[in-house]
Amino acid sequence: QKEVEQDPGPLSVPEGAIVSLNCTYSNSAFQYFMWYRQYSRKGPELLMYTYSSGNKEDGRFTAQVDKSSKYISLFIRDSQPSDSATYLCAMSLNLNAGGTSYGKLTFGQGTILTVHP
Amino acid sequence: TAGITQAPTSQILAAGRSMTLRCTQDMRHNAMYWYRQDLGLGLRLIHYSNTAGTTGKGEVPDGYSVSRANTDDFPLTLASAVPSQTSVYFCASKQGAFGTEAFFGQGTRLTVV
Repeated sequence: QKEVEQDPGPLSVPEGAIVSLNCTYSNSAFQYFMWYRQYSRKGPELLMYTYSSGNKEDGRFTAQVDKSSKYISLFIRDSQPSDSATYLCAMSLNLNAGGTSYGKLTFGQGTILTVHP
Repeated sequence: TAGITQAPTSQILAAGRSMTLRCTQDMRHNAMYWYRQDLGLGLRLIHYSNTAGTTGKGEVPDGYSVSRANTDDFPLTLASAVPSQTSVYFCASKQGAFGTEAFFGQGTRLTVV
């Protein structure tokens, strides 16, 4: 079983729709929860992050974390064609490996989103 | 600011050959990472480095090696490439090992034939 599960989609919506992207996870030790956006043939870029249960808003984007259910979501309001990309959830914890600690980022598989005009 | 620069952008490599993927960052970040991205599997960590002079193994380190001689550079070497190493490789960096935001390069598309 993967530590982080994300529906790969693809998801196709009309412009202006509300988009809901979701991830579930199994490791309760995860401390930080992030959403990355990746345009075609580009590297991922951080969209939002949070470290507690609840909602966090940034413009048209809302990140939601429910630690009790081990479930995170990203909502996009008034979606635009420029939002078309792959969205990756990621989770972070501090890991000890052979006496050395490092911040391990575990990614979901990514959801391909297309917003058509 | 360039951020993270990866080279080459893409490469076709014969099986059994060696290759080094280059990664340079100009943000003076301490932590650097190498990931591979495969369809349906997402991003998987190959190797990491918390600071210059130290490296560690990630989830899928077999067949790869890294070095971190200085803060800016973190090359990834494939000693003897195999077709299963066909992937898109991303280098990333963070200010500190436990920081949240990882900055990614543009990726190197590698095909091993």
